[in-house]
Amino acid sequence: QVQLQQWGAGLLKPSETLSLTCGVYGGSLSGYYWAWIRQPPGKGLEWIGEIHHSGGTNYNPSLKSRVTISVDTSKNQFSLKLSSVTAADTAVYFCAREWDWDVWGKGTTVTVSS
Amino acid sequence: QTVVTQEPSISVSPGGTVTLTCGLSSGSVSSSYYPSWYQQTPGQAPRTLIYSTNTRSSGVPDRFSGSILANKAALTITGAQADDESDYYCVLYMGSGIWVFGGGTKLTVL
Repeated sequence: QVQLQQWGAGLLKPSETLSLTCGVYGGSLSGYYWAWIRQPPGKGLEWIGEIHHSGGTNYNPSLKSRVTISVDTSKNQFSLKLSSVTAADTAVYFCAREWDWDVWGKGTTVTVSS
Repeated sequence: QTVVTQEPSISVSPGGTVTLTCGLSSGSVSSSYYPSWYQQTPGQAPRTLIYSTNTRSSGVPDRFSGSILANKAALTITGAQADDESDYYCVLYMGSGIWVFGGGTKLTVL
């Protein structure tokens, strides 16, 4: 059974770069699209972007200028970078497998505060 | 920019049937939008209930069903139970690799 494990820094200062990684265990990255989603405190889910195992990406237009999603097939993991963070980027960040959406990470809380 | 719409809140009586919908601020939802539905309780990751309009995710009881109704995606819960009280989200595929989540529906069972 495929599981996703997330890790990365949970406390950032304004203007820093958020960096999270999602490891895929019990299965392969191949053949799927993989997504990052976030949820600000008390609010709904927001799709950030996706990556295919081949490296192709698509991003939420509202975040596109600050987001980079990358994949490392040798390590079976994919990563999110979000630059120039502000308090509005404070959220729980989830990774997930798209289309069947059957696999989700447990979420990483990221707080942006000076 | 197209907005995905959901009812902010809905109530259902225990044992009753309820339908949550997922629409577009402009246009109609069809199966080409690959609507998916998620259940989320506070502090937890979303749990996928339905994907691709009407395919039940593994382990999801058959009292949860997905469909297209009156130009919207719909999630119907039959025989509502107390532990169905949660937030429910839908997501739609807009094409060109872009997905958009709805704002969520808070379901109360009382």
